[in-house]
Amino acid sequence: EVQLVETGGGSVQPGGSLRLSCAASGFNFTDYWMSWVRQAPGKGLEWVANINEDGNEDYYVDSVQGRFTVSRDNGKKSLYLEMSSLRAEDTAVYYCARELDGFGLDVWGQGTKVTVSS
Amino acid sequence: QSGLTQPPSASGTPGQRVTMSCSGSSSNIGSNYVSWYRHLPGTAPKLLIYDNDQRPAGVPDRFSGSKSGTSASLAISGLRSEDEADFYCSTWDDSLSGNVFGSGTKVTAL
Repeated sequence: EVQLVETGGGSVQPGGSLRLSCAASGFNFTDYWMSWVRQAPGKGLEWVANINEDGNEDYYVDSVQGRFTVSRDNGKKSLYLEMSSLRAEDTAVYYCARELDGFGLDVWGQGTKVTVSS
Repeated sequence: QSGLTQPPSASGTPGQRVTMSCSGSSSNIGSNYVSWYRHLPGTAPKLLIYDNDQRPAGVPDRFSGSKSGTSASLAISGLRSEDEADFYCSTWDDSLSGNVFGSGTKVTAL
């Protein structure tokens, strides 16, 4: 079964850091770009970042550029999102997703919740 | 960062055809493929349409997508009560070097 499972969410104070993980199974992880997408409370979906198959090319939404880093370990079939200098507006459910060639996201995890609050 | 405009809501009676639009620009919809997603808060979003008009395996043919110029649309034919959800369009934006989602359309079956 093709599956993505996110872990690592939790509560953190403003200015703090958190690392999200996404474990992939059921498909050849090295064949796909991977993305992170988030949904803040009461808001719509927002794309956060993505990374290529080899892990040497990545892109970010402006609001997280310089604070978040996406990475992957193909040997462990895992995707990561390192988040630092967290702000209240980063509070959201974070999803990892598999990308198709035309940027469609065809497989999604169940999401992990991040709360940034003092 | 979103450069995609969607109407906030759409509705229809069961069995009706409902359509929703997604308006962008030359840097996003005009030059890249469009995808559509169905999302119920608290659950994983589901891909309905990719590459403008392609359905993944398992998505009913009641859902169809199209694109023309800098706009795209999603149609749901034979609306069912279980179709109620938020629907989002998405594409890559060359100017932003990032993926963008529309603001979402909430579909209600009357």
